[in-house]
Amino acid sequence: ETGVTQTPRHLVMGMTNKKSLKCEQHLGHNAMYWYKQSAKKPLELMFVYNFKEQTENNSVPSRFSPECPNSSHLFLHLHTLQPEDSALYLCASSQDTQDRGRGTEAFFGQGTRLTVV
Amino acid sequence: DQQVKQNSPSLSVQEGRISILNCDYTNSMFDYFLWYKKYPAEGPTFLISISSIKDKNEDGRFTVFLNKSAKHLSLHIVPSQPGDSAVYFCAAGFTGGGNKLTFGTGTQLKVEL
Repeated sequence: ETGVTQTPRHLVMGMTNKKSLKCEQHLGHNAMYWYKQSAKKPLELMFVYNFKEQTENNSVPSRFSPECPNSSHLFLHLHTLQPEDSALYLCASSQDTQDRGRGTEAFFGQGTRLTVV
Repeated sequence: DQQVKQNSPSLSVQEGRISILNCDYTNSMFDYFLWYKKYPAEGPTFLISISSIKDKNEDGRFTVFLNKSAKHLSLHIVPSQPGDSAVYFCAAGFTGGGNKLTFGTGTQLKVEL
C-alpha cells in the first residue's frame, strides 16, 4: 500500500462516545498533519508533528487529542465531541516541516467523514 | 479573517476551452503558493506550485500566474477536459512558517461536454 491511508472513512458517534481516527503514511515522510474541513469553510490546520514531536497545536479544544507513536502513524483521539465538530478530518504528510522557500507539498489521505449526533 | 480567498465557489467551462480559477491573499508574508485538486470521496492532491520569486509556472496543461502587487494568483487549465471536473483549492505558506499551509474555500470546476 502506498500514500496516506485514513481509517475509518466514515464515523458516526454520540457526544459521550470515545473514538479514534487513524492515519498511516507509506511515503517515508517525517511530518504529519491533521486538518479539519467543515462545510463551506477552508481546510483548517489542527496539529503538526515533525519527527514524532508536536510542533503545532492550532488552538484546538482538548476534546481532540493527537498521538504520534512514530513517523508513519498519527491518531486523533476524540471524546465528548459536540455536533459542531462534525466535519471531514484529513490527515496529511510531508517530507518534514523544514522550509525550503518553495513549499513542500503535503500528501493527503482520503479523510474521515465524522458525524457527531 | 480569511487570509486566502477563493471568491468563486463554482465555475462551469466547456470542454476544450480555458478554465481560469482565481485566488486572492492578504498576508504579505506568504511567499509560496500551491494548488490542490480534490475529487469527491478523495483527499486533495497536489497539482502545481509557485514561489514568489516567479510570476509564472507551467506544467503541461496547467499554468499558475502570480501577481504579487495585487496579491492575486490564478490557475489556468488549457484545454479543459471533463476529467478536470473537481474542487480546486488554493493554498499559501511562508518561509519560516514550518511548512504550514493556509487554504482557501475551494472552487468547484465543472467541465461540460
